[in-house]
Amino acid sequence: DIQMTQSPSSLSASVGDRVTITCRASQSISSYLNWYQQKPGKAPKLLIDAASSLQSGVPSRFSGDGSGTDFTLTISSLRPEDFATYYCQQGYNFPYTFGQGTKLEIK
Amino acid sequence: QVQLVQSGAEVKKPGASVKVSCKTSGYTFTSYYIHWVRQAPGQGLEWMGMINPSGGSTSYAQEFQGRVTMTRDTSTSTVYMELSSLISEDTAVYYCGRVLPGWYGAFDFWGQGTMLTVSS
Repeated sequence: DIQMTQSPSSLSASVGDRVTITCRASQSISSYLNWYQQKPGKAPKLLIDAASSLQSGVPSRFSGDGSGTDFTLTISSLRPEDFATYYCQQGYNFPYTFGQGTKLEIK
Repeated sequence: QVQLVQSGAEVKKPGASVKVSCKTSGYTFTSYYIHWVRQAPGQGLEWMGMINPSGGSTSYAQEFQGRVTMTRDTSTSTVYMELSSLISEDTAVYYCGRVLPGWYGAFDFWGQGTMLTVSS
């Protein structure tokens, strides 16, 4: 199975900050990497697929980068509604696997 | 509009089985795979398996092999996930999600989740 490792596991930041979350795959997954945002009690929401393709309706302050084994999700200027947990997920092969999550909290 | 609507919360005893439904609408049912993902309380996301609604083929995570069965009803555009021999560690929210075949394995729409509690 492909292991997905996110860092950090938690992050404290302020409104307006720029934050970056990293995700590393245990083997190359090309660009088969997706990012989700999850708020308490809700289903995950797809933000970015194919490593860098922003979903329709997702604000442009979100961006994704990377290929192979190393990926990043960047939020350029945090807004209050961005405080949530973020997950990466590989769609390269079965079993699909997720990172352990990064909880983004208000400082 | 695309919708995936799941059945309601369940409470089961250890050793029992549960069958969760995921009724889809707003798109061509046979054009997207349906996957199941679960999330234990306070934990991350765990992939369970998938079904191709077109032919009914399935693929399950090793951890659930022999305990999970995914089926579909094309007449109602509904997918089912049955989990048997329940243990307390199966207590979780279960989500269905839609994935376009061949497109990076991304879950673009999700059901609202079904809470399963396994307790004696």
